[in-house]
Amino acid sequence: GAVVSQHPSRVICKSGTSVKIECRSLDFQATTMFWYRQFPKQSLMLMATSNEGSKATYEQGVEKDKFLINHASLTLSTLTVTSAHPEDSSFYICSARESPGGINSPLHFGNGTRLTVT
Amino acid sequence: DAKTTQPNSMESNEEEPVHLPCNHSTISGTDYIHWYRQLPSQGPEYVIHGLTSNVNNRMASLAIAEDRKSSTLILHRATLRDAAVYYCILREADQGGKLIFGQGTELSVKP
Repeated sequence: GAVVSQHPSRVICKSGTSVKIECRSLDFQATTMFWYRQFPKQSLMLMATSNEGSKATYEQGVEKDKFLINHASLTLSTLTVTSAHPEDSSFYICSARESPGGINSPLHFGNGTRLTVT
Repeated sequence: DAKTTQPNSMESNEEEPVHLPCNHSTISGTDYIHWYRQLPSQGPEYVIHGLTSNVNNRMASLAIAEDRKSSTLILHRATLRDAAVYYCILREADQGGKLIFGQGTELSVKP
């Protein structure tokens, strides 16, 4: 089956530093990837839609200058949390839709990155 | 965004069927009904999806009401590994394929 790999699975960083999270589709190409954030005991919140070769589309209330998304190839999207603060501590999850595939083809999710900012 | 309503939690016994309900009274004609589940500390996993007809796959069955205002995910024989949060999501045709998650149903399975 289609596999999405996220790296790192866990990261601890100091306040004010930046952290990059990678999301790779291992056995399929993904024109579109999605980034989510999940706080403890809460549901997933969509942050942005990442499109290969173009700018990401951010959901309302998500700061694009703080959460930089780069989707430079059909198998890799990265999320960089810039100048991280403790309130950015969360579980970040990416997902990808296989290309070509219909708009309703299932999303494949990575296993998430737990970010802790101290 | 189209909304779904699910019970916060449900309990089941191992090896018994489980029926997870979902209400989506504002569904439009082109919205697909998707189900995903999330095991603890993992990313969500696709379960099943459908539009109007009932659907079956190796994981579950999806029963869709005739008026499409509700649906039920059926796990035919629950196992301990099925304990997860189950999300019922309406995927809107004009939203670029993105999924907006609601609160879901936390399913616990008792041995």
